[in-house]
This record gives sequence, structure tokens and C-alpha cells, in this order.
Amino acid sequence: GQQVMQIPQYQHVQEGEDFTTYCNSSTTLSNIQWYKQRPGGHPVFLIQLVKSGEVKKQKRLTFQFGEAKKNSSLHITATQTTDVGTYFCAGDTNAGKSTFGDGTTLTVKP
Amino acid sequence: DTGVSQNPRHKITKRGQNVTFRCDPISEHNRLYWYRQTLGQGPEFLTYFQNEAQLEKSRLLSDRFSAERPKGSFSTLEIQRTEQGDSAMYLCASSQDSLTDTQYFGPGTRLTVL
Repeated sequence: GQQVMQIPQYQHVQEGEDFTTYCNSSTTLSNIQWYKQRPGGHPVFLIQLVKSGEVKKQKRLTFQFGEAKKNSSLHITATQTTDVGTYFCAGDTNAGKSTFGDGTTLTVKP
Repeated sequence: DTGVSQNPRHKITKRGQNVTFRCDPISEHNRLYWYRQTLGQGPEFLTYFQNEAQLEKSRLLSDRFSAERPKGSFSTLEIQRTEQGDSAMYLCASSQDSLTDTQYFGPGTRLTVL
């Protein structure tokens, strides 16, 4: 079945440093979404990428979808303590369900 | 608050008991999803509905699990003869219509099986 892998599993950064998490799918995706989950909270939608090679920005966050639509990345510039949490990617095929990665947990030291 | 709601938020039960969870999606959202999440893992797809029709079930969903959405609005997830391995957070999400629509998650029901 479809597998979605994320690396790294954990990332500890000093406030102000950059952060990147990578997502790789075993199959070609129709689209990919990114979610953020704070400790004790539920996943909150951040963005969806649909087109091959697509790049989207949200303030300090940059999201990319690979040309082959099998990988994606999330980059945060100049991290802040409010960025802490676990970032999940979720890939959709055309089969009607999302397959989530196991997330990258970001901690930010002030 | 017009977001996705789930009840109860926490459930502690003894092994072998049956439990039922409820999810109320965002009004007029046609798609409703159930996921299970354990510590350190991403949400794991269980099943989803388009209106009242259950369109897909994960192979992870054993015969002890059943989900319904009788009127195309709220949904229930029942687990019969609970096992300790069923302990997890059960998340519900809804989306407006198509696969590419944003999924909005509820706060989840945390199940602990003793």
C-alpha cells in the first residue's frame, strides 16, 4: 500500500534558526497537504499543493511539491517559539483517502 | 463554534466492553473521515463517508469496528469487545465535498482501555 515517510522525526533548533521537514511518498500523489499539531491538540490544516513543482509561501513558511509529485518539503525561516509542534504531511491518491506521515516534531529553544 | 465536534472527549473502559463515539461535522460538509492516532504517529485512516454512504474502509478496521452516518450528518464509531491495543486518539474530520477540499479535524476522543 501507499507509504508516506517524513524526516527527520525530531528537530531541535535555537530560536531564529531555519527548519526543514521532508516528506516522501512511495507512489505518485494527486495532491499533498501539510498540517500542524500542537501538543495536546488536533491537526490543523496549513496548506494544500496540487501542481507538479508548486511552491507556496505563508509568511515564514515555504511549501514545495516535487516535480514527480512524490515528495514535498516545508521550510520555516527564522523559527519562533510559536512554531513548536508536530508537522505532518498527508498525501492523497485518487482513492479517496489521505495517508499521513509520522510527522516531524519541532522544538524551539528561546 | 461551528467546527467539528466530538463526544466524549475522553473515554476509559475495561477490556471487553463496547464503546461508541460521536462526531458532528461542520454543517453542510458532505465528507466525513475517521482516523486513529497513537503517540508519535500520524493519523491513520480508518474510513470515510460521502453523505451517508461509507465509501472506503481501511484493512486496519477489524470486524469489531463499525461506523455509521445514517442521515448524512453526524457519524458514530463503535468498537465492540475493546482490547488494550485499541487505546488511541480517535479523530474525526470533515470536508466540503471533493478529495481536494480541506479536511477540518475535531478535537478527538481519547480512548483508554484498561
